[in-house]
Amino acid sequence: EPEVTQTPSHQVTQMGQEVILRCVPISNHLYFYWYRQILGQKVEFLVSFYNNEISEKSEIFDDQFSVERPDGSNFTLKIRSTKLEDSAMYFCASRGQGELFFGEGSRLTVL
Amino acid sequence: GESVGLHLPTLSVQEGDNSIINCAYSNSASDYFIWYKQESGKGPQFIIDIRSNMDKRQGQRVTVLLNKTVKHLSLQIAATQPGDSAVYFCAESISGGYNKLIFGAGTRLAVHP
Repeated sequence: EPEVTQTPSHQVTQMGQEVILRCVPISNHLYFYWYRQILGQKVEFLVSFYNNEISEKSEIFDDQFSVERPDGSNFTLKIRSTKLEDSAMYFCASRGQGELFFGEGSRLTVL
Repeated sequence: GESVGLHLPTLSVQEGDNSIINCAYSNSASDYFIWYKQESGKGPQFIIDIRSNMDKRQGQRVTVLLNKTVKHLSLQIAATQPGDSAVYFCAESISGGYNKLIFGAGTRLAVHP
């Protein structure tokens, strides 16, 4: 069964450092998303991406965040200068014309 | 995944019983609803969806009911199994789900043998 894959599974970083989380969406999907889940809280939307541009973003997705689809297969989330409150599980998701598929997540710990 | 402050509603059932998990959604303009299952340390897994032009949809062992009048969604799981133990989230969306999903707080289902 096709799946969304994410790397790394866990990243520990120092506050102020840049982090890039990587995702390989399902190959024929056209819509890509990042969500996050802070420990103990609900899943929150960050950004959606279609046709090589951001289609919608939440208020969480400020200037410190960016997304890119550099090579037609990967979909990345970059956090330029991490803050303590960026510690969370980050989920990539993709969809074609049907349901949304989530990856297993990348846990980010900011110290 | 858990709700705010770890105060996650929990439904405990015996194996073989039917489970009903409820969700109140927030936006009357939402037209697409999904139930997700999240096991510990994993991403949300699609269970079943329903569009606002329907009030009931059945899958394998699961049924989703939608009451737009009171903005209420429920997930019924028949013959609950230990493998059903997880946190269940409802999610809503406008524009058929191609835009953002808004997730609910989640309910933990604990199935006892």
